[in-house]
Amino acid sequence: EVQLVQPGAEVKKPGESLRISCKGSGYRFTTYWITWVRQMPGKGLEWMGRIDPSDSYTIYSPSFQGHVSISTDKSTTTAYLQWSSLTASDTAMYFCARQSCTSSSCYFDFWGQGTLVTVSS
Amino acid sequence: QSALTQPASVSGSPGQSITISCTGTSSDVGDYKYVSWYQQHPDKAPRLMIYDVTNRPSGISNRFSGSKSGNTASLTISGLQAEDEADYYCSSYTTKTILFGPGTKVTVL
Repeated sequence: EVQLVQPGAEVKKPGESLRISCKGSGYRFTTYWITWVRQMPGKGLEWMGRIDPSDSYTIYSPSFQGHVSISTDKSTTTAYLQWSSLTASDTAMYFCARQSCTSSSCYFDFWGQGTLVTVSS
Repeated sequence: QSALTQPASVSGSPGQSITISCTGTSSDVGDYKYVSWYQQHPDKAPRLMIYDVTNRPSGISNRFSGSKSGNTASLTISGLQAEDEADYYCSSYTTKTILFGPGTKVTVL
């Protein structure tokens, strides 16, 4: 069974750093990209970027470039989303998803349950 | 602001059919067959309902179908059921990036 497991919640203060995780299991981790999606309170889905775990090649949405960092650890089949300095506007739910893309197909077929990040002083 | 447009809400009675549109441009929806649709119930993760415009993943009811004409993709739900009440998002691939629509709230009357 394919699973992407994320921690439920993180609470941080403005200016603090944070790394949230997404552990994949039930499939060959290096075969599929991992993407991160933000959902601010009461709002829609926003694509942040994706990483190819086989070579760590990463693409970011222009909206998030320079503000977050995406990485993976193949040995633990885990992807990460990281901030060096959080602000209140980073308060949101963050989902990881398995991205299946070929020359003829592209979609997100499995999703983590989401990590609620709250940034408050 | 999303580059894809969807109606904010669509409603229907049980058993009826509804259609949700997703309009983009010739650079995204119109140029690629990589349009997908996701269902999200409150406080839950999104769920893939349709991929590559018309394909249903294993386990998704055949009451859900997708289509595309020009720069507009559509999701149709036939035989509407109470459990279909949720938010629905379209998504399109464009060069090196992914776009999501703003979402459509489906209400079952």
